Amino acid sequence: NAGVTQTPKFRILKIGQSMTLQCAQDMNHNYMYWYRQDPGMGLKLIYYSVGAGITDKGEVPNGYNVSRSTTEDFPLRLELAAPSQTSVYFCASRDRGRLNTGELFFGEGSRLTVL
Amino acid sequence: KQEVTQIPAALSVPEGENLVLNCSFTDSAIYNLQWFRQDPGKGLTSLLLIQSSQREQTSGRLNASLDKSSGRSTLYIAASQPGDSATYLCAVVYNFNKFYFGSGTKLNVKP
Repeated sequence: NAGVTQTPKFRILKIGQSMTLQCAQDMNHNYMYWYRQDPGMGLKLIYYSVGAGITDKGEVPNGYNVSRSTTEDFPLRLELAAPSQTSVYFCASRDRGRLNTGELFFGEGSRLTVL
Repeated sequence: KQEVTQIPAALSVPEGENLVLNCSFTDSAIYNLQWFRQDPGKGLTSLLLIQSSQREQTSGRLNASLDKSSGRSTLYIAASQPGDSATYLCAVVYNFNKFYFGSGTKLNVKP
């Protein structure tokens, strides 16, 4: 019953470093999403994917990149980390569902601090 | 720009009280609306999903309603318990792929 799995759970980066947040789902969902959540705020969409090989920008894509080579995996790459990228990152997935209205499932989050 | 607002930002009630959380959205052309629960340091857990053609959904002590014409949804929690303490977020789907989230209502149920 793994669902959506994110790694790492915690990470501290220095300014200018790069890293990849991993996300995997075992529910054969077509749609996958990356969100960031800042304290006291709602979730902001970074990137999303509607299937392997297809990705698109969300509300706040600057400073991030994604790829989707398989249905299961949707890694988020941070290039040249900045303090503004300190946040909690959530990966989510959903099935298409009837009338394209499938329920969204979340991972437990990756807490990133950039110093 | 699509906006989702949740009021109040925080709520504290004694155990056993019935309560209502509110979610409002600017554009009524939604596909569906989903309510989530988030415990501190955890991910979001889905509570209820209401399709655009539905007026309400129920799960146990939870009942969510949807009024598209007024741009509102409510989450009703009956007979609240300390274990219900968490942050509750609503998310609105305006097109096939994008969920827009409110900033949440932090609920504290006092024993």
